[in-house]
Formats: sequence, C-alpha cells, structure tokens
Amino acid sequence: QKEVEQNSGPLSVPEGAIASLNCTYSDRGSQSFFWYRQYSGKSPELIMSIYSNGDKEDGRFTAQLNKASQYVSLLIRDSQPSDSATYLCAVNEGNTGTASKLTFGTGTRLQVTL
Amino acid sequence: SQTIHQWPATLVQPVGSPLSLECTVEGTSNPNLYWYRQAAGRGLQLLFYSVGIGQISSEVPQNLSASRPQDRQFILSSKKLLLSDSGFYLCAWSVQGGLGAFFGQGTRLTVV
Repeated sequence: QKEVEQNSGPLSVPEGAIASLNCTYSDRGSQSFFWYRQYSGKSPELIMSIYSNGDKEDGRFTAQLNKASQYVSLLIRDSQPSDSATYLCAVNEGNTGTASKLTFGTGTRLQVTL
Repeated sequence: SQTIHQWPATLVQPVGSPLSLECTVEGTSNPNLYWYRQAAGRGLQLLFYSVGIGQISSEVPQNLSASRPQDRQFILSSKKLLLSDSGFYLCAWSVQGGLGAFFGQGTRLTVV
C-alpha cells in the first residue's frame, strides 16, 4: 500500500512569517512530487512540482525534495491570509507508463493569522 | 490554454438511483483523464484513469464505472447509488507522460 503522510494541522503562522509544510512517502520508486492548494469547498490547484533532489523556487514558494529520506516539503515565504488553505502533497507512482497516478496525502490545513 | 469543465457542481440523489457525471477538456489532444473522489476528512482517492478513447483502468472495486467515448470526454456512472458513494468527485487531466494533473471544479454528490 503506497502511502503519503502529512500532519493534518492546523498549522498556524502569523502574516509575513514562513510556513513549512512537510510530507513523507513510502514508495521508493516514486519519480515526481507535487503540492496542491485546496481552498475550502473548492478543487485542488497545482502550485509546485519537483522531480529531483534539492530545492525548487517559484515566487514565494519553495519545494524541497530528499529522496533518500523520502521527504518532501513546501516553504511559503511572507505568508499572506490568502494562503490559508489545505495543502495536499501528491506523489506519482513509478513505472506507470504514461499515466499520472497520483497518491495524495490527507493534507495540512494552514491558517495565516493577522 | 487548456480548460476542464465538469458538471453539475452539486447533486443530491436518492439511494438506488443512477448517476452520470460528465467532464470535458478543451485546448489539448489525447490527454490522460482521471476521476478522483474526496470523502469528508479523507484524501483524494483515484477511482479511474484513461490514457485513450475506450481505455479505462479501475483502481478501486466499487459500483461505479467510467467511460471515454471521445478523446476529451470522460464520464462517471453508476446504475444504483449507495449512501457510501457520497463525496466530492473530481475530474482531472494530464499530458501523456504524467507531470501532475489539473482538476475540474468538482461535483459534490450527496446520496440520501
């Protein structure tokens, strides 16, 4: 059973601070990793993808991947109230041909306080 | 640019009734298509995926079925709904080769 684990939160951070969201996965064969943001009642929105060890930065977001430790994280700098949402970690299975069969964590709820 | 349309947004159906949810993608050809379900307080669960017309792979045994009659159309069906079928149903697409999936607006289904 392939698993993706996230702390459900809520993670509360003050406006302007750095939010750090973490995710571990069980399948060592996983090849690609994604972070989705989901506002309450809405569908998930893809915000970051990462495929190789190290950091990937996009604006205020930085994704970090450590395949040896089977660990993915998302840093949000200068957190804003509009960042308050649930963040889902997703992992693409290896050896799936052309399909993107994603296994999702249950998400971490982030609250950015004024 | 690519867009994905999913309807209806909400649906209330009695137990034992049939179900048909439709999803279409615009602006791309030969996409991979997916149906996910998100139950209350749980993660997204992949139900079906398709890499081409008429090609359907089922991930979870259940009373649901999926069909892909056209390249950019994906349909989720049931002949008789169960209470446990309630949830948030999400259609998604990706390019061939993976690299993440993009979701439609979702259908919130309540079976009563």
